[in-house]
Amino acid sequence: DGGITQSPKYLFRKEGQNVTLSCEQNLNHDAMYWYRQDPGQGLRLIYYSQIVNDFQKGDIAEGYSVSREKKESFPLTVTSAQKNPTAFYLCASGETSGSKTDTQYFGPGTRLTV
Amino acid sequence: SQQGEEDPQALSIQEGENATMNCSYKTSINNLQWYRQNSGRGLVHLILIRSNEREKHSGRLRVTLDTSKKSSSLLITASRAADTASYFCATVPYGNKLVFGAGTILRVKS
Repeated sequence: DGGITQSPKYLFRKEGQNVTLSCEQNLNHDAMYWYRQDPGQGLRLIYYSQIVNDFQKGDIAEGYSVSREKKESFPLTVTSAQKNPTAFYLCASGETSGSKTDTQYFGPGTRLTV
Repeated sequence: SQQGEEDPQALSIQEGENATMNCSYKTSINNLQWYRQNSGRGLVHLILIRSNEREKHSGRLRVTLDTSKKSSSLLITASRAADTASYFCATVPYGNKLVFGAGTILRVKS
């Protein structure tokens, strides 16, 4: 997990609440990513950012929002519009070179329960 | 969208045996990566193989890539109980995103 921290480890949300998951990296990576993992399944991309002050929607962005004000930080907000938010959320960072993506480094995850 | 599909979904072996996991994908790729996930933890990168490579080794890991068949395999030799985890292949189509498969759950019995 080295170099990327996520907090909290466990989070409980009441219906109608927005909650924010923290992700910080000290690897000096330009790119950061948020994934959602449901039991027994692979990872699905929520949002990603390749540079500060810029981010793009992934495959399942509805009900989520992000910001990238600093290179080190990429917080994810799970809004009340996300109807099935219970899942394991993973943040990752990586280097990109032009159009190529190489290794991603993952945080330890946040388990969100509604 | 899931591009990679791992096979088998689950694998149970005895310590010391070899474990082989396969991954198939659908579109052309820049590279393919394998990751390990211990229960309730983040993913750890194991190995990356580029589209112009056919085989790569790292310690007890051997990865092959057949771009004509759009498939890859991960071989773990002389498995240990500590290898018990989920293993995911992730492809990189020509872009900046990883696309993960659903994973293979490996259990190594001691």
